[in-house]
Amino acid sequence: DGGITQSPKYLFRKEGQNVTLSCEQNLNHDAMYWYRQDPGQGLRLIYYSQIVNDFQKGDIAEGYSVSREKKESFPLTVTSAQKNPTAFYLCASSMGRENTEAFFGQGTRLTVV
Amino acid sequence: AQSVAQPEDQVNVAEGNPLTVKCTYSVSGNPYLFWYVQYPNRGLQFLLKYITGDNLVKGSYGFEAEFNKSQTSFHLKKPSALVSDSALYFCAVRDPWGGSYIPTFGRGTSLIVHP
Repeated sequence: DGGITQSPKYLFRKEGQNVTLSCEQNLNHDAMYWYRQDPGQGLRLIYYSQIVNDFQKGDIAEGYSVSREKKESFPLTVTSAQKNPTAFYLCASSMGRENTEAFFGQGTRLTVV
Repeated sequence: AQSVAQPEDQVNVAEGNPLTVKCTYSVSGNPYLFWYVQYPNRGLQFLLKYITGDNLVKGSYGFEAEFNKSQTSFHLKKPSALVSDSALYFCAVRDPWGGSYIPTFGRGTSLIVHP
């Protein structure tokens, strides 16, 4: 069954900790994205990657890091430098061409405790 | 630069009535436009897209959208709303002439369908 999988669904982080959110896709998509969703603010782009071993900062990259060592995987690390990390995080993938839609994972809700 | 606006934070409609969720866009050339739906604590699901051709686009779950170039709009419509249509709806735009394939999303519109 093709799709995009995010894990875990819920994640709790203590102050000062780094945490990594997993995103895996078996759609053979070239492009992958990470978005942050906060109530009333829509989706904000954190990082995106067009090909393996290459990624670009989005609009709110500060406090986050990513890697793209495999086509299928695009993990996001929320570092301690991110001062307000509590949010819903969405991973997406697409063929990378402008006329194709994005496919989204089910999201990870991160809460700082 | 590309941008998209969803002017209504919330739309309320009675079940069985037609619904419209509004979206306007700004791009330098001809846009690629998309609608997605999000249910609580879930990811976004693709509904429909306009790339070229017929201005009326039909999508999943009985939804359709009309591309209007002169008004730079791409409103989502459904002839008869269902309670199960209640969700958050996002419009997105890509500017194929702008050098980036990254879509820009609107802030979302919460659709509430009353029984």
